[in-house]
Amino acid sequence: AQSVSQHNHHVILSEAASLELGCNYSYGGTVNLFWYVQYPGQHLQLLLKYFSGDPLVKGIKGFEAEFIKSKFSFNLRKPSVQWSDTAEYFCAVKERNDYKLSFGAGTTVTVRA
Amino acid sequence: GAVVSQHPSRVICKSGTSVKIECRSLDFQATTMFWYRQFPKQSLMLMATSNEGSKATYEQGVEKDKFLINHASLTLSTLTVTSAHPEDSSFYICSARQGHEQFFGPGTRLTVL
Repeated sequence: AQSVSQHNHHVILSEAASLELGCNYSYGGTVNLFWYVQYPGQHLQLLLKYFSGDPLVKGIKGFEAEFIKSKFSFNLRKPSVQWSDTAEYFCAVKERNDYKLSFGAGTTVTVRA
Repeated sequence: GAVVSQHPSRVICKSGTSVKIECRSLDFQATTMFWYRQFPKQSLMLMATSNEGSKATYEQGVEKDKFLINHASLTLSTLTVTSAHPEDSSFYICSARQGHEQFFGPGTRLTVL
C-alpha cells in the first residue's frame, strides 16, 4: 500500500496570506494524485487531481498543485487564502492501475479574518 | 452530478446490537464503492472495497464477519456493523467510483454505548 505523508498537521494563517501544504508519497511507479477538502460538517470534495500531462494542475477555488516526480511530491498552493478556506485538506494517491486511494493524515487549515 | 448519500448521518446504539449504514450513488451507477473509517484528527482508512454482485474485498486487519458489506445494486452498498462495541465508535465514510475518481458521501457518525 501507498504511504502518503502530509507535513503539517495544523496551519494557522491570516486572510490574504499564501498557503502551501506538502504531500509526499512512497510509490515509485505511475500514480494518480488528488487533493480533497473537507469543510466543517461537510463531505470530502475534490479540489484537484493529476493524472498526466502538465505537472502544474489548477483546481477549484483558486487552488493549484505541482507534481514533482523526482521528489515524489504533490504540494498544494493558494496565493491568497480567505476565511472560507478554513477546512481539513487531504492528499490522496492511487497507483494508476488500481482504484484504491491512500490518504495522508490531513492538514487542518485555520484562516483568521 | 456525482452525488453520494449516506444514511443515517448519525446513530447511537447499545453495545451488542447491529447497525446498518447505507451508501447510495444518486445520479450515477457505481460498480465499485468503498468504505472508510475516520478517527478524530486522523486520516481515512480504507476498510473494504464493495463490488456490485460479488463479495467485498477487505483490507488487512478488517474483520469481514464484523463489518458485513452488501452491494446488491449499482446504486446501493450497505455496511452492517455486527455486535457493535464501543471501540467501533467512529466516523464511517463511503465513496462511489466513477472512472478513476471517487465521490464521497457525507459520512455516518456511529456511537456505541
